[in-house]
Amino acid sequence: AQKVTQAQTENSVVEKEDVTLDCVYETRDTTYYLFWYKQPPSGELVFLIRRNSFDEQNEISGRYSWNFQKSTSSFNFTITASQVVDSAVYFCALRPLIQGAQKLVFGQGTRLTINP
Amino acid sequence: GAVVSQHPSWVICKSGTSVKIECRSLDFQATTMFWYRQFPKQSLMLMATSNEGSKATYEQGVEKDKFLINHASLTLSTLTVTSAHPEDSSFYICSARVGTGGLEQYFGPGTRLTVT
Repeated sequence: AQKVTQAQTENSVVEKEDVTLDCVYETRDTTYYLFWYKQPPSGELVFLIRRNSFDEQNEISGRYSWNFQKSTSSFNFTITASQVVDSAVYFCALRPLIQGAQKLVFGQGTRLTINP
Repeated sequence: GAVVSQHPSWVICKSGTSVKIECRSLDFQATTMFWYRQFPKQSLMLMATSNEGSKATYEQGVEKDKFLINHASLTLSTLTVTSAHPEDSSFYICSARVGTGGLEQYFGPGTRLTVT
């Protein structure tokens, strides 16, 4: 069975500070995908990143960066120089890579508030 | 990018009535569609997976006779909440994927259902 845990239900920082959102996952599959999604107040999920379990290289996209540590089953997300528009709920998710696997398993989400 | 639409975006109905929610893939053919339910401040919970032309596969605990899913074409899936009750009030999100093994899963904007 797969499980994704986002221990931080809420996080709040002042604008321009850096913030890291934690994600820990459990799976018996050797190959899988990990995802991060952003859900702003409007409700629509915004895709941020997909990472293959074979690729442990960290990734940076603008102010966003992701740290994938297979040894600790973690896929943490860092926002540098945070902005008020980053306020949203962020979900980490897991999906096996095996043929026919369809389910995307979501974590509980972290509600991030960036205060001006 | 691929776009998934949902209609209506919000709906209020009286207890005991049925409500239909549409999910459309606007610029791609979605072999597989997913329906999620999200209660306030909670994560997305998968309700069912449907493949075009076949019966939906419901997750454990989801009443298939109450939540009717039809995926009659490659661009349209519908979720009908039958005999709605206040506890069915929730945010319903659909998602579409190209092929059963497609990597990308595109989410609709969601439908907020309130049952009075």
